[in-house]
This record gives sequence, C-alpha cells and structure tokens, in this order.
Amino acid sequence: SQTIHQWPATLVQPVGSPLSLECTVEGTSNPNLYWYRQAAGRGLQLLFYSVGIGQISSEVPQNLSASRPQDRQFILSSKKLLLSDSGFYLCAWLSGQGLNYGYTFGSGTRLTVV
Amino acid sequence: AQSVTQLDSHVSVSEGTPVLLRCNYSSSYSPSLFWYVQHPNKGLQLLLKYTSAATLVKGINGFEAEFKKSETSFHLTKPSAHMSDAAEYFCVGGATNKLIFGTGTLLAVQP
Repeated sequence: SQTIHQWPATLVQPVGSPLSLECTVEGTSNPNLYWYRQAAGRGLQLLFYSVGIGQISSEVPQNLSASRPQDRQFILSSKKLLLSDSGFYLCAWLSGQGLNYGYTFGSGTRLTVV
Repeated sequence: AQSVTQLDSHVSVSEGTPVLLRCNYSSSYSPSLFWYVQHPNKGLQLLLKYTSAATLVKGINGFEAEFKKSETSFHLTKPSAHMSDAAEYFCVGGATNKLIFGTGTLLAVQP
C-alpha cells in the first residue's frame, strides 16, 4: 500500500539551533514530493518541491533548505532556526493519474521555536 | 499565473443549517481543484477533488462542490451542518506540479 510518514509530530527548539524534519513515502517510485508550512493564522505556503533525487525547487526565500537524498525521502533542514520558523510543516506526495490523481499529506510537524 | 481565493476567513452556522464555503480560482489551464479539511491538531484530509470528469463532485461526510467555469468558482456545500464539521477548510488548485492553497476558511458550528 502507498503511505507517507512524517516525523516528529511535535518539536520545540531554541532559536539558533538546527532543524531536520524527515518525510518518507512507501509503495511508489519517483514521486513528486512537497514541503508546505502553515504559519499561525495563515494558509498553507509551498516551501519546496522535488521531482526526483537531488532535484529541489525553492518557492520562497527563507531560512530553510530541503534535500532529497533518496527517491522516497525528503528532508527539510535549517542550520539556525529563527522565531519566525515556528509553524505547522506538512510533507505531501503527488500520486496517481486521472481520477486517482491527488495529493496525500503526512500528519504534519508542529514546530515551536523558543 | 494561478491563484486560489477563499472569500471568507470565518463562517459560522447553526447545527442543521446549510454550509457554503466559497472559493474562486484563476488558472490559464484547466485546473485540478480540491477541498481539504484540517481539524485541530490533525493533518489535512481530502474531502473531494475535481479533475474534469464531472462538474458536480461529491465528497466524504456529505460535502459536495460544483465546478463553474463561467464563474471560476468551486464552492463547497453541505445541506446540514454537524458539530463535527467545525474545522478549517482549504480550497486548493493545481494545474502543474504545484498546489496553490487558499488562505483557509474557519467553520464554526453553533449548537
């Protein structure tokens, strides 16, 4: 079966500390993968997407980076967190074709930078 | 350029009354459109999706949406609200490899 895993579910980190959020998918190959962020009181914003290993597209300039070291692994990172990095981070995977086309989301990571 | 606009940031209805959450889109191509729901402290759940097979789309939990090309709209409706429908709803559009999210509508259901 096709599934998507994202961890951790919650994270509290001090300002200036590094960040690593991981997302993995199962049951598919060469998926399109995405990182979104939902800041408090705002909608979801696309941060990065990847159509293959080592291929990363950045949508907005920010304090974050993404990497895709393996086909089914997508990592969101930061060297030094800022307070403004707090939010709800979602990994998503585009799957299927035709009527089965759609996005599947991970369960999300709630990051609080203190 | 693509865009998705949710016209109301907050909607409040009484239990048992109809729900209408409005969404307008702009796209140069025939879009794929989705409605997602996010309950507090939970992930996004797909309610329904439009992919050009039928203009009236039925989703889970009694929700449906109608794609109206002339009005560039994809409003979400439900005949009778339930307390468990209280959540944030996102209209989402995508015609390429990327999804564009609306800013969300917070639905409150009063007893």
